[in-house]
Amino acid sequence: KNEVEQSPQNLTAQEGEFITINCSYSVGISALHWLQQHPGGGIVSLFMLSSGKKKHGRLIATINIQEKHSSLHITASHPRDSAVYICAVTGNQFYFGTGTSLTVIP
Amino acid sequence: NAGVTQTPKFRILKIGQSMTLQCAQDMNHNYMYWYRQDPGMGLKLIYYSVGAGITDKGEVPNGYNVSRSTTEDFPLRLELAAPSQTSVYFCASRNIAGVLYNEQFFGPGTRLTVL
Repeated sequence: KNEVEQSPQNLTAQEGEFITINCSYSVGISALHWLQQHPGGGIVSLFMLSSGKKKHGRLIATINIQEKHSSLHITASHPRDSAVYICAVTGNQFYFGTGTSLTVIP
Repeated sequence: NAGVTQTPKFRILKIGQSMTLQCAQDMNHNYMYWYRQDPGMGLKLIYYSVGAGITDKGEVPNGYNVSRSTTEDFPLRLELAAPSQTSVYFCASRNIAGVLYNEQFFGPGTRLTVL
């Protein structure tokens, strides 16, 4: 069993839809990260959080430490949001989920 | 700042050949990491370093070696390349000071094929 599980694996949405990606983890962590990997392969850090909620533009990340669960929300989705979104947790080292592939159709 | 740079971007190796993947960062980060990403799998940690002169194995170290002679550079060496090492390799760095963890910065990746 992976230390970090994401759902769904694949997601297709119409432009403008509200999107939620979920992440559950089974290890003790000091922080949880949401990463974005574009089709070209580059990986960018979106959020690092250890409690509560963070917001950057149309992206919102929440974490519930007691339930060991985090969600990434995208409001008013746009085709340029199409990417793989990866959840990762930091304990003694990084553990990565397998990613959620998001396609937003115009 | 250039951030984290990796060379080469692409490489094809024959079985048994050796090569070094280069990684450099100009952010004075103390921690550096090497990951591999296989299709449909999450990133797996190969080796990491907590500072110059200090390295340690990650989850999948077999077939690889690293060194960290400077803060900036963290090369990954493949000896006797095997088809199982076909993957995309990412280098990353971050700064950790006491209990203060910061975000991780990733390089653009190296796509390696072993035939």
